[in-house]
Amino acid sequence: QTVVTQEPSFSVSPGGTVTLTCGLSSGSLSTSHYATWYRQTPGQAPRTLIYNTDTRSSGVPDRFFGSILGNKAALTITGAQADDESDYFCVLYLADGIWVFGGGTKLTVL
Amino acid sequence: EVKLVESGGGLVQPGGSLRLSCATSGFVFDSFSMNWVRQPAGRGLEWVARIKHDGSQRSYVDAVKGRFTISRDSAKNVVYLDMNSLRADDTAVYFCVRDNYGLDYWGQGNLVTVPS
Repeated sequence: QTVVTQEPSFSVSPGGTVTLTCGLSSGSLSTSHYATWYRQTPGQAPRTLIYNTDTRSSGVPDRFFGSILGNKAALTITGAQADDESDYFCVLYLADGIWVFGGGTKLTVL
Repeated sequence: EVKLVESGGGLVQPGGSLRLSCATSGFVFDSFSMNWVRQPAGRGLEWVARIKHDGSQRSYVDAVKGRFTISRDSAKNVVYLDMNSLRADDTAVYFCVRDNYGLDYWGQGNLVTVPS
């Protein structure tokens, strides 16, 4: 069974740049996995940041950038702000209509 | 404006059934596959089911196969999730999510509670 992996936690300094990653336990990752990135605060629905690997969702600032780095999908946040502190999730499309979420990364800005 | 509004959740006893509905608007319903995603309190997200834009393919996570059925009504622009043989570990907020080369638009979620 394919597992989607994310760093459990990450920290970044205010104004700094951080790259979160999303990988597959087996196989190569490509644009055909349509990597999608979200952030979520407690009690709220996830907010879509990036879909289709690198397409920024409406209203998302260009500080958020999606890409593929090596064999992983990546979310890069530049100019980190205090309110970027949140849980970040990724999801990948595997095949046959199946999506799998990663376990999420808790980002701390300090 | 794309809108997804879930309804039908609530408290149900183990072994019981429930139907979730997702009313959609603001986009061409027949052009998009639709999904259900759930999230137990304090935990991560789990994809549950997907139905292709034309209803020709339905996919499920192993944990719900044989118990849950996803369907859609193009006349009403609604997606359903019929849940049978419910268990305590099905307790979660259930989200309706549009599929657009990524799971892009989400509903606000609807709580389903199955006591242990």
